[in-house]
Amino acid sequence: EIVLTQSPGTLSLSPGERATLSCRASQSVSSNYLAWHQQKPGQAPRLLIYAASSRATGVPDRFSGSGSGTDFTLTISRLEPEDFAVYYCQQYGSSPPWTFGQGTKLQIK
Amino acid sequence: QVQLQESGPGLVKPSQTLSLTCSVSGGSISSGGYYWSWIRQHPGKGLEWIGYIYHSGTTYYNPSLQRRVTISVQTSRNQFSLKLSSVTAADTAVYYCSALRFGVLFWGLGILVTVSS
Repeated sequence: EIVLTQSPGTLSLSPGERATLSCRASQSVSSNYLAWHQQKPGQAPRLLIYAASSRATGVPDRFSGSGSGTDFTLTISRLEPEDFAVYYCQQYGSSPPWTFGQGTKLQIK
Repeated sequence: QVQLQESGPGLVKPSQTLSLTCSVSGGSISSGGYYWSWIRQHPGKGLEWIGYIYHSGTTYYNPSLQRRVTISVQTSRNQFSLKLSSVTAADTAVYYCSALRFGVLFWGLGILVTVSS
């Protein structure tokens, strides 16, 4: 089973700042099958990034994903008030089980 | 774009079987390339993948749950379902159905299931 470790656990920033979230896998994620999801309180998660760097439909271009192998990053270039939420990475490679990271809470400073 | 909606009892007694259904719209459950999945989230916690059924009928379950889980498809109703047997309070969670195709994952809205007598 691939274990995903996200850091930091909590990130405190101000609107307009740049956010960098990390996701590290215990072994290589095949074909970069790595996704990022955003979850706000009381809501279902929402897909932001798939295949490590492809934005899902309707996702603003301030969100970008990068990385390969075992190290992946989600970057939010300029934080908007609606971006403060919990972010999860997920791997869905060819060898299940699919797994999620424990989440990074992005909160207003 | 596929849309998903969970349904089922919000309260289940300990030792009984939790049964949920996911209704699919905007696409056929028989379409190729889809992984029809269930994911759960314990209150205030992270996300846990339960398992999937591929359009071919192949299933894969999280090893931590596989003795108790069954995922199946009801093609005529364009639905798929989750059964989790011998539930305890530790199975209290929001259950999400989802669909993964070509790397894009669609989420349902989720349904809270509480296990309590």
